[in-house]
Amino acid sequence: QVQLQESGPGLVKPSQTLSLSCTVSGGSINSPNSYWTWIRQPPGKGLQWIASIYYSGSTYYSPSLKSRLSISLDTSNNQFSLKLSSVTAADTAVYYCVRVRNDYSDFTNQYYFDFWGQGTLVTVSS
Amino acid sequence: DIQLTQSPSSVSASVGDRVIITCRASQDISRWLAWYQQKPGKAPKLLISAALNLQSGVPSRFSGSGSGTDFTLTISSLQPEDFSTYYCQQANTFPALTVGGGTKVEI
Repeated sequence: QVQLQESGPGLVKPSQTLSLSCTVSGGSINSPNSYWTWIRQPPGKGLQWIASIYYSGSTYYSPSLKSRLSISLDTSNNQFSLKLSSVTAADTAVYYCVRVRNDYSDFTNQYYFDFWGQGTLVTVSS
Repeated sequence: DIQLTQSPSSVSASVGDRVIITCRASQDISRWLAWYQQKPGKAPKLLISAALNLQSGVPSRFSGSGSGTDFTLTISSLQPEDFSTYYCQQANTFPALTVGGGTKVEI
């Protein structure tokens, strides 16, 4: 059973950079059917996909946040990380690290958020 | 991007009730839709993949159906632990894996 655990500061000042890490256990970050992903949820609101990375190093970013985002892998420690620069109060949210499982059937790739970290609340405030 | 619209946004129900939640996609996504359950303060949990495939350990009172643009999640007999928020997610267009706005099932 794959388990994910977020770590990072819970409070970030406006204009600074939010940095989070996710440690993966119970499975390899080099799995070819997995995309390692960050999703956030502002208080009382819905889920927003932010970024994903594949074990090969290919990265994928939300178009609305792309200019401020960076996602990276640390395969030696089975971790992946997120950096979001120039944060504002609008970036206050629970940040989840998630495994996206890539299934294939009927000649079609599908992608499901199957394992989640517990989430970490990041508040942007001075 | 594909938009997903869930209805209702909230529903009041009682233990034992049958609850139906709908999710409409802005374009044909075949059967590539998932459903998640989120309890307060917890991460979402994958319930159903490919519109109707129940994940291991998910009670059989949950079922999914639909294809194309219209999908439903049915809880056949609502239990106390089912009071949660439910989300649909389109599973076909990576990386733009859009999620619906959610349906809160409350007492």
